Amino acid sequence: AQRVTQPEKLLSVFKGAPVELKCNYSYSGSPELFWYVQYSRQRLQLLLRHISRESIKGFTADLNKGETSFHLKKPFAQEEDSAMYYCALETSGSRLTFGEGTQLTVNP
Amino acid sequence: EPEVTQTPSHQVTQMGQEVILRCVPISNHLYFYWYRQILGQKVEFLVSFYNNEISEKSEIFDDQFSVERPDGSNFTLKIRSTKLEDSAMYFCASSEVGGPKTQYFGPGTRLLVL
Repeated sequence: AQRVTQPEKLLSVFKGAPVELKCNYSYSGSPELFWYVQYSRQRLQLLLRHISRESIKGFTADLNKGETSFHLKKPFAQEEDSAMYYCALETSGSRLTFGEGTQLTVNP
Repeated sequence: EPEVTQTPSHQVTQMGQEVILRCVPISNHLYFYWYRQILGQKVEFLVSFYNNEISEKSEIFDDQFSVERPDGSNFTLKIRSTKLEDSAMYFCASSEVGGPKTQYFGPGTRLLVL
């Protein structure tokens, strides 16, 4: 069965520091992976998906099939990056399987 | 920019009552979804819907749940006889047909069953 694991519930960094939010997945098929972000009192928004290989708001994520990981990185965190981040795996039928989420806090 | 909308934003109901949660997907989208998030837990898939029928449903989506597209704009989730454990945030999402099917989420309906 498919599974997404985000090992850190909470992550706190200082402004300007690099940040990495970890995501590991388990899926027997060809994975399509996403990062969604939820800012305070706002809806879930797509941050990026691996297939488009874009950099959004300075964030990047590389799919590593060998390590079954899709970690989200940003070289210099900003205070406005403070939010809840969810890694999600799309499986057959377009079902999204979400990780538990990581609450990122960027301190001034 | 078009957005998915959901009503109501909050609903309180008594155990055993029926509730209908409403969603208006983005207008040119043809795939629709419901997810839920119990407080402190992860977002869980409930059901996907395309071409007026259920495409896929999870083990959570039992006979108490049903979905409907009653007209050209609304997509509803009905819970027939609510239980305490149905208390959660319910999210609707929609996506286009073809190409990368990015799912766009609504703001959610917080359901509290007493």
